[in-house]
Amino acid sequence: QKEVEQNSGPLSVPEGAIASLNCTYSDRGSQSFFWYRQYSGKSPELIMFIYSNGDKEDGRFTAQLNKASQYVSLLIRDSQPSDSATYLCAVNTGNQFYFGTGTSLTVIP
Amino acid sequence: GAGVSQSPRYKVAKRGQDVALRCDPISGHVSLFWYQQALGQGPEFLTYFQNEAQLDKSGLPSDRFFAERPEGSVSTLKIQRTQQEDSAVYLCASSLAGATEAFFGQGTRLTVV
Repeated sequence: QKEVEQNSGPLSVPEGAIASLNCTYSDRGSQSFFWYRQYSGKSPELIMFIYSNGDKEDGRFTAQLNKASQYVSLLIRDSQPSDSATYLCAVNTGNQFYFGTGTSLTVIP
Repeated sequence: GAGVSQSPRYKVAKRGQDVALRCDPISGHVSLFWYQQALGQGPEFLTYFQNEAQLDKSGLPSDRFFAERPEGSVSTLKIQRTQQEDSAVYLCASSLAGATEAFFGQGTRLTVV
């Protein structure tokens, strides 16, 4: 079992809709959780991090963490074509960041 | 510079050649990570440094891979006797401490022919 699992997609949503990206992790001792956005041919860019159970909002982005279910999600409200990218979930367990394989999101104008 | 800097951006190596990839982390960042990203995959952990100490090298795929950070700043990832399966983007990331957010460099795309 991989440390971090994501649906690879692709996920397509119309412009203005809510995009929901999901991630599960295997290590209950994981301490911190990150969402990175990666455009094709570019390096990952941090967009959100969350440490505590519940929701964390930043502009159009909301990260949700449920440690009991070992589940973290990212909601993107009012999706824009510029949000089209691969979204990587990352989990920190001590000294390592484990990444999922990423979910490809396409926002259709 | 303000961000993580990696060089070269692109490297073409003949099979069997040795290569060295450089990472210059954000100033003051204690932690430094190396990842390998194959096409269509997420980054795979290679190794982790805290200052000059290599605390985890469990992700290095073979003994042909070697990383160092002798003065706790710049790091070099060396691959000896490159093979075609080593072709990937090699990403370096740094952070203030182990559990805080990590920032990535632009990566080095290695192609072994």
